[in-house]
Amino acid sequence: EDQVTQSPEALRLQEGESSSLNCSYTVSGLRGLFWYRQDPGKGPEFLFTLYSAGEEKEKERLKATLTKKESFLHITAPKPEDSATYLCAVQFYGNNRLAFGKGNQVVVIP
Amino acid sequence: GAVVSQHPSRVICKSGTSVKIECRSLDFQATTMFWYRQFPKQSLMLMATSNEGSKATYEQGVEKDKFLINHASLTLSTLTVTSAHPEDSSFYICSAPASGSYEQYFGPGTRLTVT
Repeated sequence: EDQVTQSPEALRLQEGESSSLNCSYTVSGLRGLFWYRQDPGKGPEFLFTLYSAGEEKEKERLKATLTKKESFLHITAPKPEDSATYLCAVQFYGNNRLAFGKGNQVVVIP
Repeated sequence: GAVVSQHPSRVICKSGTSVKIECRSLDFQATTMFWYRQFPKQSLMLMATSNEGSKATYEQGVEKDKFLINHASLTLSTLTVTSAHPEDSSFYICSAPASGSYEQYFGPGTRLTVT
């Protein structure tokens, strides 16, 4: 059973059309939830870490939020350069291992 | 800070040969590094945890005799794919937690193609 589920799998947005990506998790003992951006053929690029429910972090047009069951990555007024796959991962207490979701593939159309 | 490099970025090898991939932490020391494999349009799957000065810990289903991991220093881990077969063709990515942090930083990945 998947511990991390991301939705939607794929999303096409017009430039400037804000939207949100969802990452839900079913694990206990969560140390942190991570968001990464991955471009084709490249390694994941770190975006945010969230550690407790209610926490929010922002970076340019991206804002990540966390509840006890899920996290959202809000993309405000996206630009074509925001096109990428966004990966969510959870980390457990006791070790540094990350469990990844399948990703949200975002395409922003000019 | 927190830069991780990998070498080579891509490699093509013949079936039956072995290939070594290097992962380096450039501006920090890493007692632990992680190796992932990613197939097309799939997410990252953890293969093993590399521990400096001790044996690696492999995830269930990963053959430790096929994927040899060596973490000989605080800045270098290597993954050797032994007797490679076409089904081993994949994108291999390493990561390391930054010093004093839980945040993990990833290398740029190595594209392995076995013909």
